[in-house]
Amino acid sequence: GAVVSQHPSRVICKSGTSVKIECRSLDFQATTMFWYRQFPKQSLMLMATSNEGSKATYEQGVEKDKFLINHASLTLSTLTVTSAHPEDSSFYICSASRQTQYFGPGTRLLVL
Amino acid sequence: DAKTTQPPSMDCAEGRAANLPCNHSTISGNEYVYWYRQIHSQGPQYIIHGLKNNETNEMASLIITEDRKSSTLILPHATLRDTAVYYCIGADQTGANNLFFGTGTRLTVIP
Repeated sequence: GAVVSQHPSRVICKSGTSVKIECRSLDFQATTMFWYRQFPKQSLMLMATSNEGSKATYEQGVEKDKFLINHASLTLSTLTVTSAHPEDSSFYICSASRQTQYFGPGTRLLVL
Repeated sequence: DAKTTQPPSMDCAEGRAANLPCNHSTISGNEYVYWYRQIHSQGPQYIIHGLKNNETNEMASLIITEDRKSSTLILPHATLRDTAVYYCIGADQTGANNLFFGTGTRLTVIP
């Protein structure tokens, strides 16, 4: 149990385009989901906390208008990177919380 | 969340027990000790957590000192697939708060 999926697993896009990443808790309901970002050889850094039915809470330095988060149901949260630039290239990881946090496999984004 | 300190790297021979230490001297009374690991290019995998009693599951054992200032994760028979970065994190059990991932311990299991 406690499986979290992410789609897509990797994506390549052109600079200026938008990319949507989906995070799903497959076998449990999660009132809270988290989005993290990990640059090469660095640890995970929290971007935002998402609660079902309410606006996400963003960490300092994370632009809410650039990283749009929607948590429409207890099993789905989406992260949209708008007007992506090469510096947004990173490994994006979500987690869903059922007391313990369970992580998705991550999405590798490459912006050309 | 409590700050944790872990050695940056460790090696372990395949088939031997891997003992990964963690210091968390500032952990508060309601914070659990969580262990996750991250295999290269994957999301973190939950391993085990505990409050003050020792815990064991199919993956590992967690030994927490009586004063709760440190703990040890034990992988009883390390395999090559256990090579990963292991993170020790102090957090409450509500699941509502983010996990602070420090630098972790890079465990290399050697054939």
